[in-house]
Parts: sequence; C-alpha cells; structure tokens
Amino acid sequence: RKEVEQDPGPFNVPEGATVAFNCTYSNSASQSFFWYRQDCRKEPKLLMSVYSSGNEDGRFTAQLNRASQYISLLIRDSKLSDSATYLCVVSQTGANNLFFGTGTRLTVIP
Amino acid sequence: EAGVAQSPRYKIIEKRQSVAFWCNPISGHATLYWYQQILGQGPKLLIQFQNNGVVDDSQLPKDRFSAERLKGVDSTLKIQPAKLEDSAVYLCASREGTGTDTQYFGPGTRLTVL
Repeated sequence: RKEVEQDPGPFNVPEGATVAFNCTYSNSASQSFFWYRQDCRKEPKLLMSVYSSGNEDGRFTAQLNRASQYISLLIRDSKLSDSATYLCVVSQTGANNLFFGTGTRLTVIP
Repeated sequence: EAGVAQSPRYKIIEKRQSVAFWCNPISGHATLYWYQQILGQGPKLLIQFQNNGVVDDSQLPKDRFSAERLKGVDSTLKIQPAKLEDSAVYLCASREGTGTDTQYFGPGTRLTVL
C-alpha cells in the first residue's frame, strides 16, 4: 500500500469555482503534513503546512483528520494562476523524510 | 537569497551509459536530499545527507546509483550504467536542518535514457 494516495484528476474547473482535493495516508505514526504545489516542468514548492486544528491562508484551507488519516485542501474563488499539480505530502519526522502522493492536477478554465 | 542550484538541466543518454548530476544547496543548509520524479508520479526520496554523512539511502538502487557530499556542501548523484526506467527528473532539495523547517527544491535535471 502506498504511503500517500491521491486522486490524480485532472480537475477542470471554471474561474471562481471552489474545488477540493483529498488524500489519505497509511502510516498512523505520521506527524507532519503538507500541501506542495508543482507547476508544469517546475520544482515542487511548499503551499502550506496542515495542522490538526485546520488552517487557512487566503483562499486556501487545509484540514487534517487523524482518526481517518485523511487530509484535504480547499481552494475558493479559483484563479487561472491556480492551475498546477497539488501534491499531498506526509512525514513521520517534521519536514525530514517526506512522502509524496502522485499529485492532483488542477486546470482552471476562463 | 540564492536557491538550490542544479546542473545540467537536461541530459539525454543511451542505456548503459553513465551520467552525473550536480547540486549546490542553499548556503548553510545542513541537510540535502536527492529525489527521483518519474512522469505522473510524486517525487521519491533516493538519499538524504546530513552534512557529509548519509542519513537514509534505503531507496537508492545501489547497484547502479551512487551519491556523495564529500565536503558537506555540494553533492553529486551518479548513475552507472543507466537503464531506460531511469528516465525521470532528478530533484535536489535542501533544508536548514532544524525542527519543521521547509525543504527547498532545485529546478531538477531531466534525464532521458534512450
């Protein structure tokens, strides 16, 4: 079983839409959770960390459910510039050994 | 602040040839990682260095892959001999090395094995 599983998409949404991505992780000992963004032919970049209490950064909201081993990312009021692949990332030890999902591809359509 | 530097950006070789990639991490970052990202997949850790010592190389195919970070700064990753399935982007990342600070990725080297 993979460490991190995500729906690869693609998700095609119109500008202004709300879109949600989910992922599940297999290791209950996981301690740290992140969403990374990867643009086409670019390197992954940290979008946001995910905390147990949930956290929000502008139009982006991340949630963690430890009991279900489930992480989500909600993007409100989608912009064309949000088009990218969103990688769900899990670590047992801070930001040290990162396990990446396959990524969910989002395309925001004008 | 300069980011993680990698070279070359692109490399095309034939199977059974050798290839080497170079990475220069962010200044002062003690921890350095090499990842392999195959098309359509997320990055997979190959090896992790803390200064010049190997912390984790459990996912490194040691029969053909090797890596070193002799002076605890720059690192090289070598594949010898290359196979078709080694075609991927090889990403280097670095981290200051304390607590939950972020890993920063370089632009990657895109390897095509023909």
